[in-house]
Amino acid sequence: GQQVMQIPQYQHVQEGEDFTTYCNSSTTLSNIQWYKQRPGGHPVFLIQLVKSGEVKKQKRLTFQFGEAKKNSSLHITATQTTDVGTYFCAGPPNNNDMRFGAGTRLTVKP
Amino acid sequence: GAVVSQHPSRVICKSGTSVKIECRSLDFQATTMFWYRQFPKQSLMLMATSNEGSKATYEQGVEKDKFLINHASLTLSTLTVTSAHPEDSSFYICSASDRGPSQPQHFGDGTRLSIL
Repeated sequence: GQQVMQIPQYQHVQEGEDFTTYCNSSTTLSNIQWYKQRPGGHPVFLIQLVKSGEVKKQKRLTFQFGEAKKNSSLHITATQTTDVGTYFCAGPPNNNDMRFGAGTRLTVKP
Repeated sequence: GAVVSQHPSRVICKSGTSVKIECRSLDFQATTMFWYRQFPKQSLMLMATSNEGSKATYEQGVEKDKFLINHASLTLSTLTVTSAHPEDSSFYICSASDRGPSQPQHFGDGTRLSIL
């Protein structure tokens, strides 16, 4: 079945360094969504990308959706300690379902 | 907007007890609600998807007689863990969408279930 693969599983950076997590699907996605889960918290919706090649920015976060709509990335510029958490991508294999990636756990050393 | 309330936040009970968890969308109508299970430092494992007024669709490997899901209204879904055992101990999270199952989800705070 359709799977959403996400790498890396873990990333530890020094504060101020950049961070990127990648998401790949075995099938074309109608949209890709990104969520952030802080330690001890619940996932919070960040953004949705719909168009092929789409790029969206939220302050230091840049989200991209691949041309083939099978991959996506989240890039954080100059990480801060507030960026700590697990970042999940999610994509629907069809209109009736949603699949989450395994998540990338980001830790930031001050 | 888009607030999802989940109760209780924590449950500790004896083996054999049935536990009910409620998930409410407070300011929108949730046509679809999801129930997830999450183990420490791991990803979200989808247990079932429920649409208001119809039976839940369970993921492969999830026992529907063990995990009873009811989605009786557009703002409330419940998950009942029947005759819970220690292996059922986990973090259970619900989410809701007002635009269908392929659209962004809004998550509750989760319920940490501990079975002694």
